[in-house]
Formats: sequence, C-alpha cells, structure tokens
Amino acid sequence: GEDVEQSLFLSVREGDSSVINCTYTDSSSTYLYWYKQEPGAGLQLLTYIFSNMDMKQDQRLTVLLNKKDKHLSLRIADTQTGDSAIYFCAERGGYQKVTFGTGTKLQVIP
Amino acid sequence: NAGVTQTPKFQVLKTGQSMTLQCAQDMNHNSMYWYRQDPGMGLRLIYYSASEGTTDKGEVPNGYNVSRLNKREFSLRLESAAPSQTSVYFCASSEAMTGNEKLFFGSGTQLSVL
Repeated sequence: GEDVEQSLFLSVREGDSSVINCTYTDSSSTYLYWYKQEPGAGLQLLTYIFSNMDMKQDQRLTVLLNKKDKHLSLRIADTQTGDSAIYFCAERGGYQKVTFGTGTKLQVIP
Repeated sequence: NAGVTQTPKFQVLKTGQSMTLQCAQDMNHNSMYWYRQDPGMGLRLIYYSASEGTTDKGEVPNGYNVSRLNKREFSLRLESAAPSQTSVYFCASSEAMTGNEKLFFGSGTQLSVL
C-alpha cells in the first residue's frame, strides 16, 4: 500500500530556515499536502501542491516536489517560535484516499 | 464559524465499556472521516463517509462502527473498548472525496482505555 515517510524531529534556531522532508511511494499521487498540528489541537492545512508542479511559494512557505524521486519538502523561511509544531506530509493517492506521514516535530530555539 | 466540533475532549474507559464519539461540521461538506493518531504512526484512517448515506472502512476499522446520521454528523462507536484503542481520535471533513481533498479537522478526543 501507500507509504509516506518523514524524519521525526528537527531543531532550528529562530530566524534560520527550516526544511522538512517527506518521501512517498504512490506514483499516482495527485495532490500533496502539508498540515501543521499545534499542541492539543487538530491538524490545519498549511499548503498543498498539485503533482504536475515543481514548486509552490506562499509567503514564508516554499514547497518543492521532485516527482521522479517521490520527494516533497517544506521550507519555512525566517522560522519563528510560533512555527514550533508537528508538520505532517500527506498525499492523495489514486483511490480516493489521503495518506499521512508520521509527522516531523519542529523545535525552534530562541 | 465552528468548523468541525468533536465531543468529548477527554474520556477514560474501562476495558469492555462502550462509548460513542460525536462529530459535527457546519461547512456543508459531503465527506467525513475518523482518524486515530498514535505516537510514531501518524494518522490512520478508521472509517469514512464519502457522502450522506454511505460509510466505508479505512485502514484500521476493527473494533469500531460508524453512523452518518445526516450530512452534518458522523459518529464513531467503540462497542467493547480495548487498551489497544487508547489513542487520540480526530474527526475531519472535506467538500468531497474527489480532486483536491482539503481536510478540516476537529480538535480531537483523547481516549484512554484501562
């Protein structure tokens, strides 16, 4: 079945850029998503990219997609303490199903 | 605008007890979902309802039942709770299960089964 993998933890200093990586296996993915989960809360959609795009920029967020390698990344520029959260990569596969990764916990050090 | 509302926020059960988790959305969405979140395992789909009147199994349906009561409400029932069902449960909704399936999540129910 589909599999989405992420590293579990990332620590960066405030003001630096953060890059969170994700790999997936479903070659029929149509949309790929990044969700953010703050402590005690549900997931909130941050951004998404259609599979025929290479890059999408949205203010401080840049999503890069390498479809050949099935690799997705989320870059957060000028990382702030408010960006501390768990970030989930997700992909919409070929059979009406959204599969989530395990989540990457981002710690921002002041 | 409440979005997706789940109740209760916290629940402790003894093994063998039953309970129902409630979920309602006010966005007129067609599709609704129940996920469970466990450490190191991400979110796993339990059941979903593509539209009012339909429900289907997800990745981990055993031990659960669901009811799509109407377009707004989608409940999850544990008939005989087991310690393996200790988890955080999230309800979500989307406009439809086609194309760009942007999910909106509730704030979760933390369930402990002793």
